[in-house]
Amino acid sequence: GQNIDQPTEMTATEGAIVQINCTYQTSGFNGLFWYQQHAGEAPTFLSYNVLDGLEEKGRFSSFLSRSKGYSYLLLKELQMKDSASYLCAVRDTSQGGKLIFGQGTELSVKP
Amino acid sequence: GAGVSQSPSNKVTEKGKDVELRCDPISGHTALYWYRQRLGQGLEFLIYFQGNSAPDKSGLPSDRFSAERTGESVSTLTIQRTQQEDSAVYLCASSLPTGWGRNTEAFFGQGTRLTVV
Repeated sequence: GQNIDQPTEMTATEGAIVQINCTYQTSGFNGLFWYQQHAGEAPTFLSYNVLDGLEEKGRFSSFLSRSKGYSYLLLKELQMKDSASYLCAVRDTSQGGKLIFGQGTELSVKP
Repeated sequence: GAGVSQSPSNKVTEKGKDVELRCDPISGHTALYWYRQRLGQGLEFLIYFQGNSAPDKSGLPSDRFSAERTGESVSTLTIQRTQQEDSAVYLCASSLPTGWGRNTEAFFGQGTRLTVV
């Protein structure tokens, strides 16, 4: 089966750092994705990890440990516009490569 | 096209009617996905196409839901005898062919907001 878990909501302060965790169990694995979704909008791609380690892209970084089935998204120097839902997704190769999403983490950035 | 296009953007229908939702993927994207997102919820997987075939239909909620894809391009999601619990945003996404180690990110359309009254 497939299971992707992430916290439902988080709150952080403008200018701070926040880490959003994601754990997954899938029959197959070909990459983990993080997406950002603002209310009423479509999800947009943030990052991709397929090998263990840290990928950095500006204020956003994403980490993967395949042996632990674990990833996190790190957001630095938080801005008010970072308030959004952050979705963890895994490409499961067991049935052709479908993309499965977690329930999303609603991040609120406070002044 | 430049991006994933979905139509209609909004649809209000009466309970019991059939609806058809359309998705035009990015040209050259052989993988296509349909998701359902209820208010305040995550993305619920419905179906995935690789080319014109669907390796995985396990997410379709009931036999009232069906989807097809032709010409490795346009896809339609049909919901028959709509019920109020079908009210949600239906999102379509497309990506390049999946392969080990390749960043085949999925690009999303703006969705169809379906309201069943």
